[in-house]
Amino acid sequence: KNQVEQSPQSLIILEGKNCTLQCNYTVSPFSNLRWYKQDTGRGPVSLTIMTFSENTKSNGRYTATLDADTKQSSLHITASQLSDSASYICVVSALRGGGADGLTFGKGTHLIIQP
Amino acid sequence: EAQVTQNPRYLITVTGKKLTVTCSQNMNHEYMSWYRQDPGLGLRQIYYSMNVEVTDKGDVPEGYKVSRKEKRNFPLILESPSPNQTSLYFCASSLSSAGVAGYTFGSGTRLTVV
Repeated sequence: KNQVEQSPQSLIILEGKNCTLQCNYTVSPFSNLRWYKQDTGRGPVSLTIMTFSENTKSNGRYTATLDADTKQSSLHITASQLSDSASYICVVSALRGGGADGLTFGKGTHLIIQP
Repeated sequence: EAQVTQNPRYLITVTGKKLTVTCSQNMNHEYMSWYRQDPGLGLRQIYYSMNVEVTDKGDVPEGYKVSRKEKRNFPLILESPSPNQTSLYFCASSLSSAGVAGYTFGSGTRLTVV
């Protein structure tokens, strides 16, 4: 069964500090991996999308890495800001035919930035 | 502005009273999907549609119906809502399901069934 596990479940850090969120997956056959940011009560917003051949992708202070061999991804946030407080969701897509519609969602990491 | 529009944003209803949550996208996307989000469970897919007149069940379809008569609209229908359907609902669209195109999510509908 396709699965996406995220860790930690929640994280509290001080403003200005860096942090790294983890995503491990067992989705097969792999198509791409996406990180989303979801503010409380709002819809998720895409941060990065990576395919099999991409090892790293940045979006401002957000940098995602992908190791397709170990089936792990990380999202690194640099110089955190209060506005980074949100849930971060890892979504892995299988090639069409690998699942209901090929998407498997992680349960998210709830990040709180304290002043 | 490219967006997915859901209505209503908030809805309180009584058990058994049929309701429809609308979803519309203006990006000519083929793929649309409905999710519910509950504390500790993350996003779970209810139904999805690969294109007009093509719909399929997701992980938690019981108690829900959908239709895709037009490309831009994908309403979610609860024929007889029950309290366990109290949740935060999201509609999303994309050019395709498993491609590299990102998903655009609506702002969400918070449904309470009493």
